Order: sequence, then C-alpha cells, then structure tokens
Amino acid sequence: NFMLTQPHSVSESPGKTVTISCTRSSGSIASNYVQWYQQRPGSSPTTVIYEDKQRPSGVPDRFSGSIDSSSNSASLTISGLKTEDEADYFCQSYDDSNLWVFGGGTKLTVL
Amino acid sequence: EVQLLESGGGLVQPGGSLRLSCAASRFTFSNYAMSWVRQAPGKGLEWVSGVSGSGGSTNYVDSVKGRFTISRDNSKNTLYLQMNSLRVEDTAIYYCAKDVSYGPPLGIDYWGQGTLVTVSS
Repeated sequence: NFMLTQPHSVSESPGKTVTISCTRSSGSIASNYVQWYQQRPGSSPTTVIYEDKQRPSGVPDRFSGSIDSSSNSASLTISGLKTEDEADYFCQSYDDSNLWVFGGGTKLTVL
Repeated sequence: EVQLLESGGGLVQPGGSLRLSCAASRFTFSNYAMSWVRQAPGKGLEWVSGVSGSGGSTNYVDSVKGRFTISRDNSKNTLYLQMNSLRVEDTAIYYCAKDVSYGPPLGIDYWGQGTLVTVSS
C-alpha cells in the first residue's frame, strides 16, 4: 500500500495564507480522490475538503484543495487565517482496493 | 443537519468483545456508504472498516481482519461494529462516519462525536 506524508507542523500569522501538503508515496495522486479533515483540540474531526477540491456546505471559501501531479501531492490552502483555524489537519485517500490511508496529520498554529 | 450518534464503548479486558452502534438521522441512510475510523490517545486517525450503502461490500484494515465485523441495518438507520478478540492496541475513540458516496467508501463528509473503547486488564 502507499503512504501519505504531511509536514508535522506549520505556523502562520492571522490574515495570511498557509498551504499544507500531502504527498503520496506510490501510485498517482490523481487516481483516487483526496479528502481533508480538520480536528480542533478536544473535538471530533470535521470535513473541510472532499473529492480533491469540493467544500461541504458551511465550510468557508477560505479553504481550498488542489492536486499537483508533478509532485504527486495534494494541498490544502487556507487564506485569511483566523485563530479558529488552529487545529490538526489530516489528508486521506484510498487505493484501488478501496482500502483507506490517512496522512499523519499537520498541526497548524496561528500566531 | 446529519446526525450520527455512537454508543457501546467502554472498558473491556483483552480478549473480550464489544459491539458499537451508530444511530443515523436526517439523511437517507441507505443511500450512503459508512465507515468506522479510530483514534488512539494522542495519535492520528486510522480507518478501521467501511461498508457500502447496500451492505453488500465491506472492507477492513489488516489489523482487524478476522476480529471485527461491520454491518448495517438500513431499516433501523443504524451502523454496527462487532469487535471480538480485543487487544490493548485497539484502545481508541471510535468514530462513525458518513461517506460522500453510495458504493465503496471513498471519503467522509460527516462525523459522529465518537465513543471510547478501552482495552485493559
């Protein structure tokens, strides 16, 4: 199976833009949809991006997802950072046998 | 808004069994695949198992194959996870999750609040 590798942590100031990467170790990142989940401390995860770039209702358009085949990675970009965006973010995809893989998670600090 | 309410967690000895339930509401349950995802204390997310909307297709992470069984009752809008031969390393919060698709689970759009399973002697 493949792995999804995320940076352990990122930090940025309020109002700025941050991008979190998720690199697939083998197989094409474009072959299977990528989802992104946000988990604030002490809370259940919520979905911020599904099917590479779709936002669930209620998720602000400050959150966007993309795929880059040249680097075999997916990215989550958050613009206009707010302190409430401080959380852990996990990417997820699946293989051709529909077995899921999660990235290790990225801790976003907004300071 | 979609509601997913897990129950059935608790403390169990190694080798024991538990059955988790997830009561779903405010969406057409039978139209969507469902999954269980767990999170060990202080760790990341781990997919455990998924089931298609009809219940006819299931998948499991290797570490639980042969020990856990996912099922659903579409007449009761309820998802289940039967966990047998539990191990200390199964200790985690277990989340019920609604999928974006009907067929094989692909990704989650809604999560439950989770139920804690602790395996310890």
